[in-house]
Amino acid sequence: DGGITQSPKYLFRKEGQNVTLSCEQNLNHDAMYWYRQDPGQGLRLIYYSQIVNDFQKGDIAEGYSVSREKKESFPLTVTSAQKNPTAFYLCASVWAGEKYGYTFGSGTRLTVV
Amino acid sequence: KNEVEQSPQNLTAQEGEFITINCSYSVGISALHWLQQHPGGGIVSLFMLSSGKKKHGRLIATINIQEKHSSLHITASHPRDSAVYICAGTIQGGSEKLVFGKGTKLTVNP
Repeated sequence: DGGITQSPKYLFRKEGQNVTLSCEQNLNHDAMYWYRQDPGQGLRLIYYSQIVNDFQKGDIAEGYSVSREKKESFPLTVTSAQKNPTAFYLCASVWAGEKYGYTFGSGTRLTVV
Repeated sequence: KNEVEQSPQNLTAQEGEFITINCSYSVGISALHWLQQHPGGGIVSLFMLSSGKKKHGRLIATINIQEKHSSLHITASHPRDSAVYICAGTIQGGSEKLVFGKGTKLTVNP
């Protein structure tokens, strides 16, 4: 079955360490997105990519980095520069032109201690 | 002011009740989405609509483009409908970016 796989589901890291969250899709979707969710807030866009080897900053990109070397993969690195990294991170993908709606991953809950 | 506002924030209902969740938006969007998030966190897309009304089982979504308002209705609610329902709009302009409401937490009691 097609879908988005995010791993791991739970991740714990010490303050000051970089950590990479995985997002893989087998839907042949063109565009991929990373969102952050904090309690009581709507999801906010971190980075997005509409084609391979190209990506754009979202509303809260500071302290994060991404790559898009393959169409099916869009990993997110949370760097030590991110001041408040503990959050729930969601990956999503969609066809260009958005004819059929988005597909979301199951999320990664990152806790930095 | 958020670009997408949902009401109510929290909603408790008895099994069988008819439920309405409202969404208003203040930005130009090309489509409106209703999403469902269960306690584990994963999100499922329920509807994507740009005009009129869509129905899937006991769920109905409507949108009024002129008033920039959408509603999600659940008929004959059931405890398994308990979840957070999120309204989101695709920003016009070709990037397919979404802007989200804060969500409505629905609890349906047996």
